[in-house]
Amino acid sequence: RKEVEQDPGPFNVPEGATVAFNCTYSNSASQSFFWYRQDCRKEPKLLMSVYSSGNEDGRFTAQLNRASQYISLLIRDSKLSDSATYLCVVNKGTGGFKTIFGAGTRLFVKA
Amino acid sequence: ETGVTQSPTHLIKTRGQQVTLRCSSQSGHNTVSWYQQALGQGPQFIFQYYREEENGRGNFPPRFSGLQFPNYSSELNVNALELDDSALYLCASGEGARNSPLHFGNGTRLTVT
Repeated sequence: RKEVEQDPGPFNVPEGATVAFNCTYSNSASQSFFWYRQDCRKEPKLLMSVYSSGNEDGRFTAQLNRASQYISLLIRDSKLSDSATYLCVVNKGTGGFKTIFGAGTRLFVKA
Repeated sequence: ETGVTQSPTHLIKTRGQQVTLRCSSQSGHNTVSWYQQALGQGPQFIFQYYREEENGRGNFPPRFSGLQFPNYSSELNVNALELDDSALYLCASGEGARNSPLHFGNGTRLTVT
């Protein structure tokens, strides 16, 4: 089993749709959590950090459930410019620090 | 504010050779980490350096090694290159040893023939 698993995708949605990405992690000692966005042939860029209390940034909402070891990202009112790969990221600090990326979920938003 | 810069952008090497990739951290950052990203996959953690010492390592063999310099720039060295080492190599910097968001460079695309 992979340490961080994401929906395989791709997701194809029309403009204006709401789309949800899911991510699970296997190590309960994981300490911090993020969503990154990666455009084709570009470097990953931080979208938002994820907290148990949930956090929102405009059309984007992220949530962490430590008990279920589950992370989510919700995008409301999708725009064409949201088309990208979304990467779930987990930092683990015990037994040596590690940053673990999921394989990513590709999103295509169509007009 | 100067972002993370990597060099070279592209590189072609032959199997068995050695390669050195370079990274300059973002101003004010003292942590640097390296990742290997194969096509269609998420980045795989190679290792992280904090204040010139390795403080975390992923599942990569010892022929992958690194350095962080006093100015927080970094090198990734790969010896005895194999065909499967062909990938995009990403460098990222951050503040503090753990848990800070990462700021990535544009990457170095390595092709091993």
